[in-house]
Amino acid sequence: NAGVTQTPKFRVLKTGQSMTLLCAQDMNHEYMYWYRQDPGMGLRLIHYSVGEGTTAKGEVPDGYNVSRLKKQNFLLGLESAAPSQTSVYFCASTDPSSGRETQYFGPGTRLLVL
Amino acid sequence: AQSVSQHNHHVILSEAASLELGCNYSYGGTVNLFWYVQYPGQHLQLLLKYFSGDPLVKGIKGFEAEFIKSKFSFNLRKPSVQWSDTAEYFCAVTSYSGGGADGLTFGKGTHLIIQP
Repeated sequence: NAGVTQTPKFRVLKTGQSMTLLCAQDMNHEYMYWYRQDPGMGLRLIHYSVGEGTTAKGEVPDGYNVSRLKKQNFLLGLESAAPSQTSVYFCASTDPSSGRETQYFGPGTRLLVL
Repeated sequence: AQSVSQHNHHVILSEAASLELGCNYSYGGTVNLFWYVQYPGQHLQLLLKYFSGDPLVKGIKGFEAEFIKSKFSFNLRKPSVQWSDTAEYFCAVTSYSGGGADGLTFGKGTHLIIQP
């Protein structure tokens, strides 16, 4: 099993450009999450999904959109990138069926917005 | 809303020293508690977790943590640190009743540096 994978690993954007970050998991997990990590801020939840076709806002959703068209994939979109979105983005997934959820994280995507 | 506070943002220790990293959370209900570690250039890895039962939990690499409900604390400990423990450590909480649907709330992290 590859676990949680993220594409791309690193990207540089200019202000106003758009891009999509892809998260894929092969563990058949129901729940998926997008976090951003900034120095001194820890990780903050952007959006999450509790199943295929569902999404919900987290703590810092502004400027991002998400889609969960397939259970194994969770896409994070930036329609018009801003320098404030320079960050490291982590995807995670978990299986809630056991009632003892542990989130598994991907390797991260480092995004620089100029 | 729940929140997590990690008291030490930067800790520098010598090898073989003992380690204790503080973590306090605020949430009125039942919680699940986690410690994650992020080694330089790597993604987050689970060190240990507490859901219920024995409040002293043991994790990987010799780490342990104690859940003290009355103090809303979940401090991480290791009796003797190694240079390879240099990393960023995050305490996190999720509400038990939420089933994990609402994601993890993280502390801001503690940057641990072990000097040889």
